[in-house]
Amino acid sequence: DQQVKQNSPSLSVQEGRISILNCDYTNSMFDYFLWYKKYPAEGPTFLISISSIKDKNEDGRFTVFLNKSAKHLSLHIVPSQPGDSAVYFCAALDSGGGADGLTFGKGTHLIIQP
Amino acid sequence: NAGVTQTPKFQVLKTGQSMTLQCAQDMNHNSMYWYRQDPGMGLRLIYYSASEGTTDKGEVPNGYNVSRLNKREFSLRLESAAPSQTSVYFCASSPARQGRGYTFGSGTRLTVV
Repeated sequence: DQQVKQNSPSLSVQEGRISILNCDYTNSMFDYFLWYKKYPAEGPTFLISISSIKDKNEDGRFTVFLNKSAKHLSLHIVPSQPGDSAVYFCAALDSGGGADGLTFGKGTHLIIQP
Repeated sequence: NAGVTQTPKFQVLKTGQSMTLQCAQDMNHNSMYWYRQDPGMGLRLIYYSASEGTTDKGEVPNGYNVSRLNKREFSLRLESAAPSQTSVYFCASSPARQGRGYTFGSGTRLTVV
């Protein structure tokens, strides 16, 4: 049973426009959420995170929004740039749980069109 | 540069062969992890180590063993490789048990024929 879901395998956005990547989760014990970016043949790199006590976190062009009641988070990238083309993984953590480790979604391949 | 180093980068094994994937980090992190990435499956946790001397199973541990040799090194062993273990393997480390701020290695692409 998938606890973190990214329902869009791919997304194409024009350069300069806003990219919105979505993520849903089912485990109400998750209290920390992260986004990772991955280029081909490289490991994922940390992008931005948010604690469940917040509903928004911003870092430059990247903003993550969390809607706890809907168990939904989204990553906004504005303006989108060609270097943003990558696979984006949503990840979640139950920091009070017995097991360690992040639970990842399947990823969304973002393609920025010139 | 500081980070997580994985070796080898590529490996082809025959069914039934064994091998060990090596991982080392130089950031003085306590926690280390092994993930596998399969097409359309995201990253799935195989094993983790919250601190030196401790290891625990993740979501998909069957067919694997791990060793936390010291604080820096965390190895993953396949005793008898199977085609289902064909995957890209990522090692990661983080400073705290809560798994925040993972740093990943560049991965090992393993093919079992």
